[in-house]
Amino acid sequence: GNSVTQMEGPVTLSEEAFLTINCTYTATGYPSLFWYVQYPGEGLQLLLKATKADDKGSNKGFEATYRKETTSFHLEKGSVQVSDSAVYFCALVKTSYDKVIFGPGTSLSVIP
Amino acid sequence: SQTIHQWPATLVQPVGSPLSLECTVEGTSNPNLYWYRQAAGRGLQLLFYSVGIGQISSEVPQNLSASRPQDRQFILSSKKLLLSDSGFYLCAWYSKAYNSPLHFGNGTRLTVT
Repeated sequence: GNSVTQMEGPVTLSEEAFLTINCTYTATGYPSLFWYVQYPGEGLQLLLKATKADDKGSNKGFEATYRKETTSFHLEKGSVQVSDSAVYFCALVKTSYDKVIFGPGTSLSVIP
Repeated sequence: SQTIHQWPATLVQPVGSPLSLECTVEGTSNPNLYWYRQAAGRGLQLLFYSVGIGQISSEVPQNLSASRPQDRQFILSSKKLLLSDSGFYLCAWYSKAYNSPLHFGNGTRLTVT
């Protein structure tokens, strides 16, 4: 069945460091891929998305590229801030009648 | 624009008491609706989802049930809460339009004492 795997962390970085959170997926066909962010005590917010191979989603300095050949959708940011401390979830969906499949989440802490 | 309302924000209930959490969506019709639970420091567990009125799919056998009495209303219930029901409950909706992302409510923090 469909699944999402991501590094669980916790990941601790210093401010202005480069961030990569790996995400790989298993699915047939061409799913849509998403990154969500959850700040402490809040619900999940959509961070970025990509709907076809080689698409690059971007938002708030974060980027992720849909790589069909490696079935990956790694999240990157060139310079993290303390305010980026949160839990990040990778997710996929195949069709509008399917369930959205989430990875286990990666906790990120950015220290000054 | 579409909005999702989930309440209450926090709830403390004794073991054995009933539960009712409500979620409503505005600004869209015939959405897919979801209930997730998140235990402390853990990932998301899909509890129920619904693709239409009266259509409920259960993902995990448990002490909870869900109902969808109206197109944009989704209710999570329990007749008798257990300690293990404590957690952060999230409602979400998803348009059947292609490539639509999942939109989440702000969550309900449930503590069963």
